[in-house]
Amino acid sequence: AQSVAQPEDQVNVAEGNPLTVKCTYSVSGNPYLFWYVQYPNRGLQFLLKYITGDNLVKGSYGFEAEFNKSQTSFHLKKPSALVSDSALYFCAVPTHTGRRALTFGSGTRLQVQP
Amino acid sequence: ETGVTQTPRHLVMGMTNKKSLKCEQHLGHNAMYWYKQSAKKPLELMFVYNFKEQTENNSVPSRFSPECPNSSHLFLHLHTLQPEDSALYLCASSQETPGAIYEQYFGPGTRLTVT
Repeated sequence: AQSVAQPEDQVNVAEGNPLTVKCTYSVSGNPYLFWYVQYPNRGLQFLLKYITGDNLVKGSYGFEAEFNKSQTSFHLKKPSALVSDSALYFCAVPTHTGRRALTFGSGTRLQVQP
Repeated sequence: ETGVTQTPRHLVMGMTNKKSLKCEQHLGHNAMYWYKQSAKKPLELMFVYNFKEQTENNSVPSRFSPECPNSSHLFLHLHTLQPEDSALYLCASSQETPGAIYEQYFGPGTRLTVT
């Protein structure tokens, strides 16, 4: 089975500072990796995905993620955090190779302080 | 808005009640999903429908019964639930294309409380 791990339950960062939310993966074959964000009382919103190609993937709201095959990581980044970025962030992979259903990480709560 | 709607947004039910959750997607997708999000657990896949056919049942108890009458609508019928079934139930949809992986679009969820 394919899986992802998010080692941090919470990340705190000051507004204007760069942020990183960590994700490591365990997959067979080529990895397909996703990041989603969940705001309070809302469903998940797609941020970005890695399928193949450039290791730096750009997504919505100024977020980007860096795919690192040697470290089996797919960390989410943003150069300058906003208070409105405070939310719950999930990394995900397809449940099985070739399947569309997703297995999610445990989530990381990002808190951006003014 | 993501193009996926869910009703009701909140539901309180007793353990002997029968209720249904509804999901509708306006994106023209052909695959739909039910996920469960509990306070202390990661998101759990429950069911997958592809072209109205159930393709995955992730060992979900029979007190949860899905129905997919067409590619735009998905229901989750609930009966004799337990308090531990209280959670946020999320519906999602995506476009299934052989050999490709596409992102899923999620509805806002139904917050279910079983008393």
